[in-house]
Parts: sequence; structure tokens; C-alpha cells
Amino acid sequence: AQSVSQHNHHVILSEAASLELGCNYSYGGTVNLFWYVQYPGQHLQLLLKYFSGDPLVKGIKGFEAEFIKSKFSFNLRKPSVQWSDTAEYFCAVNPNTDKLIFGTGTRLQVFP
Amino acid sequence: DTAVSQTPKYLVTQMGNDKSIKCEQNLGHDTMYWYKQDSKKFLKIMFSYNNKELIINETVPNRFSPKSPDKAHLNLHINSLELGDSAVYFCASSQFTDRNYGYTFGSGTRLTVV
Repeated sequence: AQSVSQHNHHVILSEAASLELGCNYSYGGTVNLFWYVQYPGQHLQLLLKYFSGDPLVKGIKGFEAEFIKSKFSFNLRKPSVQWSDTAEYFCAVNPNTDKLIFGTGTRLQVFP
Repeated sequence: DTAVSQTPKYLVTQMGNDKSIKCEQNLGHDTMYWYKQDSKKFLKIMFSYNNKELIINETVPNRFSPKSPDKAHLNLHINSLELGDSAVYFCASSQFTDRNYGYTFGSGTRLTVV
């Protein structure tokens, strides 16, 4: 079945540690890819998106993601996390239809 | 100015009641959506409207009825509420011809059915 997988369900890091959250999708053809962040009690905010061009995408707050077509992956990275990055992170795919398909989310906890 | 606004933010109601959630966007987008986020944080699309026409209707009980009076508004009416309807409901909008831009989400409505 077509899906979006986020294998890391819960990640715990100390401040200044590096972060990589995995995202894999199973749709063929052209896809648009997104990472959203949801801070506690808040709505979803767009971190970054990829639709074409340079597969290394830079987003807000120092986040970046790399689209690797051969691996159907779009992993999110940050070289040095902060306590304020504690949130739920969602990978999402728009497989050229009119809806956004979300992964199950990764809960990130950063301790000072 | 809030781009996508939902009301109410919180809604606590008893089983069997009928309730509505309203959503308005001032971005000039032509497509609006309702997503449901369950207790495990999983987000799933429920409905999508493009220029007031229903274009996506996922497997949602017919107790849920979306209504779009114009392309800036998409309301969600729920009849005969059940405990399992407790969730956070997010409204979102996008521009159909430019989905690359992404989707803008509202702040959510936390529905609790008791």
C-alpha cells in the first residue's frame, strides 16, 4: 500500500546533539515532499519542502532535508538541536493528488 | 492577521450531540481541507473542497458533513457525536494550481466527547 513511514517514533537528545529523522515513502512518480513541525499544543508549521531542483533543501530554524530519489527518502537533519526544538515532526507527501499524506510523526525531546 | 482560523479552539460535548466547527482562510486559496489528528498524533485527511466542490471524501462516517458556502470557508458538522470522535481537527488550505507552495494549517479544534 502507498504510505509514508517515519521509523523513529520517539527521539531523545541532549542540546547540541545532531539530529536525523528518517522518512520514506512508497509512491512512484513525481512527488512533493514536506516536513512539518508541531510544537506542544500548537498547529502544524511548515519547516521545509521539496518539489524539484537541488535535492538538499534548507528550511527554517536551521533544519535541512535531503531527497534521495533512489531510496524514496526525505530525511530531516539539524546539526545542533536546541531545547526549543522539542516538538512532533511530521513528514508528508503530496503524490500529485490533491491531498497531503502524513507519516505517523516523530516525537523529539531535547534536554538541556 | 490569522491566515487559517478555526472556531472553537476547544469543544467539550456529550455523546449524541450535534456540533459544528468553522474554518475560514484569508489567503485567497481555492482548496480547503479537514484533517483529523487522533490521540496518537496520526494525521489523516477527511475532506477536501476545491472552489466549493467536494473533491476528496475519505472513508469518514456520514455523521460528518462538510459544508463550503464559499471558497474561503469550510465548516464541519458532526451529528450524533461518539466517544471515538474525540480528536484534534485541523483545517488547512492550499492553492490547487500551486500545491508546491504547501498547505497552511489552522490552529486546530480539540474536540472531547464525554
